[in-house]
Parts: sequence; structure tokens; C-alpha cells
Amino acid sequence: KAGVTQTPRYLIKTRGQQVTLSCSPISGHRSVSWYQQTPGQGLQFLFEYFSETQRNKGNFPGRFSGRQFSNSRSEMNVSTLELGDSALYLCASSLGEQYNEQFFGPGTRLTVL
Amino acid sequence: GNSVTQMEGPVTLSEEAFLTINCTYTATGYPSLFWYVQYPGEGLQLLLKATKADDKGSNKGFEATYRKETTSFHLEKGSVQVSDSAVYFCALSDLPGGGSEKLVFGKGTKLTVNP
Repeated sequence: KAGVTQTPRYLIKTRGQQVTLSCSPISGHRSVSWYQQTPGQGLQFLFEYFSETQRNKGNFPGRFSGRQFSNSRSEMNVSTLELGDSALYLCASSLGEQYNEQFFGPGTRLTVL
Repeated sequence: GNSVTQMEGPVTLSEEAFLTINCTYTATGYPSLFWYVQYPGEGLQLLLKATKADDKGSNKGFEATYRKETTSFHLEKGSVQVSDSAVYFCALSDLPGGGSEKLVFGKGTKLTVNP
């Protein structure tokens, strides 16, 4: 079956703009988690959605938001972009039950100029 | 809060050498522990996991044992191959029930295996 897909794969924006990233989970998966990966901070958890509700949240400012649709696809939005938001954004999907494996997508590389 | 510390490397080995990547953690309770691998240009793949103390996770020749007394989950492989070249991440579950939907990752260790 198809894996987790993320679009777009690459994105260039300028400071102050906003951006929306998309993640399509594996069919049947109801949980989608988002992570930010940077050379300095490593991999950091942003938030997790399960059945259209945010179930867990990391320690990121309110400029970072997300949502999940009824088909489990998820989007994350970053408003008022800063240079420090340049990163690889990874999403992962799972069935959403304890000990289920998370499957990661290839990521979206965001560059903020 | 919960945290993971792993040797940052980079680590360079010759083919068929023995590999150890150290990972220690700080956590309340008994989190599930994971090793993920990231190949160039790809997302993370789960390599192995352990959900309780003394569990041994294993996959593709890699092993790691959940050691509660030393709060460690070191990754080992007896004989590495060139195809094992990648970045390896140690992680723990940051959820009370041990679910993998919210993970805390180490900084990652880049492994290069030369022929």
C-alpha cells in the first residue's frame, strides 16, 4: 500500500509570509503527527491529530497550527514566517493506538529567506 | 521533561566491523524506547523498539536492550555493511501510556561504513 506522502517536497518563502504543508497518511491510519527537524535542535514534536482533533501538542508558538480532515489528511500552517522556521517538516501516521508503529513521510523542506 | 542523549558521532567504520551507538534517557515512568534510521533524502524508518524493561528489540541484525537500571538503550550490530550507512536516532515515547504518537528524539548519529 502507498506510504505517507507529503506535499510539496520543497518550498521557498520569505519572512513574514505564511505557508501550508500537507500530509496524506497511509490508508486506514487515523493519527498524524508532525515534527520539525533542524541541524541545531534536531527532531522536535509539533502536534498530533487523531480523528480530526488535536490530541497532543509540543512546545511551539501559536504561529504553528494544524488541522485534520475527515479523510485523515492533515495540514500544518505556519504564519508570519521567521528565518528560524527553515527546516525539514516530517509527518508520521499510525493507527493511533498504543504501541502502533509510526510511518514517516519523506518530509517537506522549507527554506525561509 | 523527558530527554534522550545519544553519541553524536559521526561514526566511521569498515565493513564487517562491530557497531555500538550509545543512548541514555531521562524519563518519568517507563517509556517505550525506539531506534529509527534515516537514509539520505528519506523520512525516518522504525528500526526496532522495546516497550518494557529487559525487552530486546531486534531487526536486520541490529539489537538494543531496554536497561532500566542504567536508563540505556544502546544500539548494536555485529557486522555492519555499506548499506547501513545512515543517520540513527534513539527516541522515547513522551506519552503516559507509551504510545508512539509523541516521540522525544536524540540528536542523531551519522554512521558511514566504508568498503
